[in-house]
Amino acid sequence: QLVVTQSPSASASLGASVKLTCTLSSGHSNYAIAWHQQQPKKGPRFLMKLHSDGSQRRGDGIPDRFSPSSSGAERYLTISSLQSEDEGDYYCQTWDTGIRVVFGGGTKLTVL
Amino acid sequence: EVQLVESGGGLVQPGRSLRLSCAASGFTFDDFAMHWVRQTPGKGLEWVSGISWNSGNIGYADSVKGRFTISRDNAKNSLYLQMNSLRPEDTALYYCAKGALIVVGADFDYWGQGILVTVSS
Repeated sequence: QLVVTQSPSASASLGASVKLTCTLSSGHSNYAIAWHQQQPKKGPRFLMKLHSDGSQRRGDGIPDRFSPSSSGAERYLTISSLQSEDEGDYYCQTWDTGIRVVFGGGTKLTVL
Repeated sequence: EVQLVESGGGLVQPGRSLRLSCAASGFTFDDFAMHWVRQTPGKGLEWVSGISWNSGNIGYADSVKGRFTISRDNAKNSLYLQMNSLRPEDTALYYCAKGALIVVGADFDYWGQGILVTVSS
């Protein structure tokens, strides 16, 4: 069964870096994922798509401070030079070649 | 500029029906799959349904299968979600989302602002 797992919460100080993790279920380690950001009281926003080989496609206007990476079944989003507006929920999304889409439970990022 | 504007939400009694619409602009609508995603207040995102560019492939979450029907009108650049036999647990903010490809299985690259559906007596 296709499942993505995310840590419920993360925190880091203003100006620091943080690395968020999305883990794909067994047998799905080569799947691509997408990262979405949801700031408080707003709709989600597409950040980027990440393939298992590290290739990526960014959303419109997404700064280089948001950097994706991949290792095995894990997909990462590193946010550097943290700003207050980076606070919010980050969702990992994946899909299969059929007609199913799956979201992770989301990681709530707090900027201290 | 891509815009997705949902409408049709509101308060409805359990067991009744509601139809959501999503008006799309700023891109060639019939070149992409479209989706509905919902979010219960304070909770995460749940994919509800997706439809390919030509309506040839459609998928549903198990939680809504048999009760909800997704459709699209490419001539009107519009996406729809017919929701029947509504339950209190269907109460959520419903988002329209644009797929990045013509097929359902792909990432989403634009989202609407969402429309609230409340199922309560």
